[in-house]
Amino acid sequence: ILNVEQSPQSLHVQEGDSTNFTCSFPSSNFYALHWYRWETAKSPEALFVMTLNGDEKKKGRISATLNTKEGYSYLYIKGSQPEDSATYLCAPGGYQKVTFGTGTKLQVIP
Amino acid sequence: DSGVTQTPKHLITATGQRVTLRCSPRSGDLSVYWYQQSLDQGLQFLIQYYNGEERAKGNILERFSAQQFPDLHSELNLSSLELGDSALYFCASSVALGGPKNIQYFGAGTRLSVL
Repeated sequence: ILNVEQSPQSLHVQEGDSTNFTCSFPSSNFYALHWYRWETAKSPEALFVMTLNGDEKKKGRISATLNTKEGYSYLYIKGSQPEDSATYLCAPGGYQKVTFGTGTKLQVIP
Repeated sequence: DSGVTQTPKHLITATGQRVTLRCSPRSGDLSVYWYQQSLDQGLQFLIQYYNGEERAKGNILERFSAQQFPDLHSELNLSSLELGDSALYFCASSVALGGPKNIQYFGAGTRLSVL
């Protein structure tokens, strides 16, 4: 899968604010979508894997939804905290290979 | 700690040289992936090996090659290095070839500087 778009590219929010970002992808040949969190000076870490249209996943204050028919996924963070500051990558793909988006860089200001 | 080990952490070399980056996957993982992250770029997929065989190829230059050994560790060889090859190179591993739960676990990366 090519042409993965994530928006916005970067985001600054105040501590306590809720925020969301988007991953758009071609809906053909879709098999699964992964969300990764990448903190500065660390390695990307998997957050969620979603496969079915309408899937919703939640991990603490972070949740994600998936629409495979229209080709997008949303990531939500409720009550952002400084430790949420990171780049969030989506990686949609076929059975074997995923394509990483360029990410949304989130900065949470205390 | 993801369980994926990459060595070295940093590498400084000159143009025209050749270097080898090494990756040891998590115990039990059969797939190894190599990615390149250049300045202000996202993760660019280079190549995937599964149980010793090349299974997928991305935007890997002909000057670059990789292999996965019987003990499942992998090496990425970069030759005739150019300034533009300076980047962070990540290795990731996963348990399977693909599938919906095939999460990739990333190493800490090797930062290559070509001077």
